Amino acid sequence: GAVVSQHPSRVICKSGTSVKIECRSLDFQATTMFWYRQFPKQSLMLMATSNEGSKATYEQGVEKDKFLINHASLTLSTLTVTSAHPEDSSFYICSASRHVGGGGEKLFFGSGTQLSVL
Amino acid sequence: GQQLNQSPQSMFIQEGEDVSMNCTSSSIFNTWLWYKQDPGEGPVLLIALYKAGELTSNGRLTAQFGITRKDSFLNISASIPSDVGIYFCAGRETSGSRLTFGEGTQLTVNP
Repeated sequence: GAVVSQHPSRVICKSGTSVKIECRSLDFQATTMFWYRQFPKQSLMLMATSNEGSKATYEQGVEKDKFLINHASLTLSTLTVTSAHPEDSSFYICSASRHVGGGGEKLFFGSGTQLSVL
Repeated sequence: GQQLNQSPQSMFIQEGEDVSMNCTSSSIFNTWLWYKQDPGEGPVLLIALYKAGELTSNGRLTAQFGITRKDSFLNISASIPSDVGIYFCAGRETSGSRLTFGEGTQLTVNP
């Protein structure tokens, strides 16, 4: 199956610093990637849709200046949490959409990044 | 907005038992996806469904795309301890639209 690589898997940072998370599609090109946030024992919450070569589309309530998304190539999207605060501590997961035969799409996820802001 | 109800919220079963969980939506979907998530990991795709009535198996897992296109179920036969985890359904209304996720089913398998 398709592989999506996400790094780092865990990061601890001080309040006020910025953290960059990378998401790579290893064996396919992904024109669209997605960034999710997940709180303990809850479902995935879509933060933004990352489009290669264009601006990301943010969901309502997600601050675009706080969560910077860059999708500079067909295999790499990055999420930068700027001026992180403790309330930004969460599990962040990226995913990449891959078209399959017959017009279908499959969404493959990275392994997630646990962000802890002290 | 779009609503996706997944049930049950949690299940506690004995090893060897069969398991069934389902999702229903408030609107018609053209894609249903089922995922399993282990603690501290991203969701892993189990089964993808694209046609109403489609029944697809992946080992001991079987999932079906409901005829009404508003529901889907996932069955796990002869459960084993490594089946423990959270199972999510996800659906898409049209090609290219965002996926909507269910709230998840926490499965616990007692050996």
